[in-house]
Amino acid sequence: EIVLTQSPGTLSLSPGERATLSCRASQSVSSSYLAWYQQKPGQAPRLLIYAAFSRATGIPDRFSGSGSGTDFTLTISRLEPEDFAVYYCQQHANSPWTFGQGTKVEVK
Amino acid sequence: EVQLVQSGAEVKKPGESLEISCKGSGYNFSNYWIGWVRQMPGKGLEWMGIIYPGDSDTRYSPSFQGQVTISADKSISTAYLQWSSLKASDTAMYYCARGGGFDVWGQGTMVTVS
Repeated sequence: EIVLTQSPGTLSLSPGERATLSCRASQSVSSSYLAWYQQKPGQAPRLLIYAAFSRATGIPDRFSGSGSGTDFTLTISRLEPEDFAVYYCQQHANSPWTFGQGTKVEVK
Repeated sequence: EVQLVQSGAEVKKPGESLEISCKGSGYNFSNYWIGWVRQMPGKGLEWMGIIYPGDSDTRYSPSFQGQVTISADKSISTAYLQWSSLKASDTAMYYCARGGGFDVWGQGTMVTVS
C-alpha cells in the first residue's frame, strides 16, 4: 500500500499570502495518478488538480500542482478568503488507492 | 449535468444491516469507476474501494475487505455500499465519487450506529 504523508498538518497564513502544501509518497507514483482535493466544513471534497499538474474544470489558476516520483506540491499563489479549508492528496496508481491525512489551511 | 445523488441519512443499531446507494446521471455510468470514501467525524478521507459498473470489477482497501460489500446495477446507474452487521465504529459520512481522480462527488450519506 502506498502511504501518502502530507505536511504541514496545519498552515496558518493570511489572505494574500502564498501557501505551499507537500505530499510525499512511500514509493514512486506516476504523475498521471496524483490528485489534490479541497474540502470545506459540511461539504463534499472537490477535485482541484488531477494528473499532478492539471487543474480541474472551474478551478482558478492561483491553484497549481507540481512534482514527480515521491514528492508532490500544491501551491496556492495568493490565498483568497474562500481558500481556507482542508486539502488532501490522493494516488490512484495502485490499489488500494490512498489519501494523505490532510493539511488544514487556516487564517492566521 | 453530471451528478451523483446518494441516499439519505440512516440511524441504525449495532448488528443491523444496511445498504446505501449512489445514483449517477448525465453520463454513461458503465464507463467510469465509482469509489466509496469514509470520513469519520472530525477525521480525514479514507478510500474504501471501487467498482467498475461495466463489468463489476471491484477492488477493496485491506482495511475494509470483508467489512463491507460494494456492488452496482448498471441498468439503473446505481452503486451500493452494504454492511451485514453494523458496529458503532461505522458511524461516519460516506461519499461516493466518480473516476480515478474523483471528479464528481455525491453529497454524502451520514450513517449513525447507536
